[in-house]
Amino acid sequence: NAGVTQTPKFRVLKTGQSMTLLCAQDMNHEYMYWYRQDPGMGLRLIHYSVGEGTTAKGEVPDGYNVSRLKKQNFLLGLESAAPSQTSVYFCASSYSGTGDTEAFFGQGTRLTVV
Amino acid sequence: AQSVTQPDIHITVSEGASLELRCNYSYGATPYLFWYVQSPGQGLQLLLKYFSGDTLVQGIKGFEAEFKRSQSSFNLRKPSVHWSDAAEYFCALSGGSYIPTFGRGTSLIVHP
Repeated sequence: NAGVTQTPKFRVLKTGQSMTLLCAQDMNHEYMYWYRQDPGMGLRLIHYSVGEGTTAKGEVPDGYNVSRLKKQNFLLGLESAAPSQTSVYFCASSYSGTGDTEAFFGQGTRLTVV
Repeated sequence: AQSVTQPDIHITVSEGASLELRCNYSYGATPYLFWYVQSPGQGLQLLLKYFSGDTLVQGIKGFEAEFKRSQSSFNLRKPSVHWSDAAEYFCALSGGSYIPTFGRGTSLIVHP
């Protein structure tokens, strides 16, 4: 059971470079999320998707874009990386948005922007 | 708006001692509440969840949590802590938007 898989696990970028983080889930979940985790800040929602072809902004969306072309995949893009985007990024998914379903998390991607 | 507050950034306990991690929430109705645990270098794993009914819920690894509506709290407890419990603990709330909102986390340090 793979669950939620994130690639890559580690990445170092130079300021201004772009990259895409891939999240894949094999649980047929409708909802998918991208969070960033910073020391003392907990998890903050960047973007989320309530189904294939849909995306929405979360708490800290600036500097990021997302796409959900296939139900099982949720991509997070950084168009022009900045040092402030150095963080650990977590993807999560849940079966539905009824509130009573837990979120399943990937292992995280540690991104450093220099 | 919904929010979750975990007042303690760090908690230190001795192995075998009891544990209580605090979580307070703000939401206009009865929320769905969760506790997750994050081991170093790992993603988050669900410990337990509360939706309705019995206000004392049992979870994995011997953890339990009590929902107190009057105090807007959902504190996590364990009667006897093991060294392997050292981790980051997150309280989360899912309200009308059904999108999980997380607290800042509490880091648990266990002394031998």
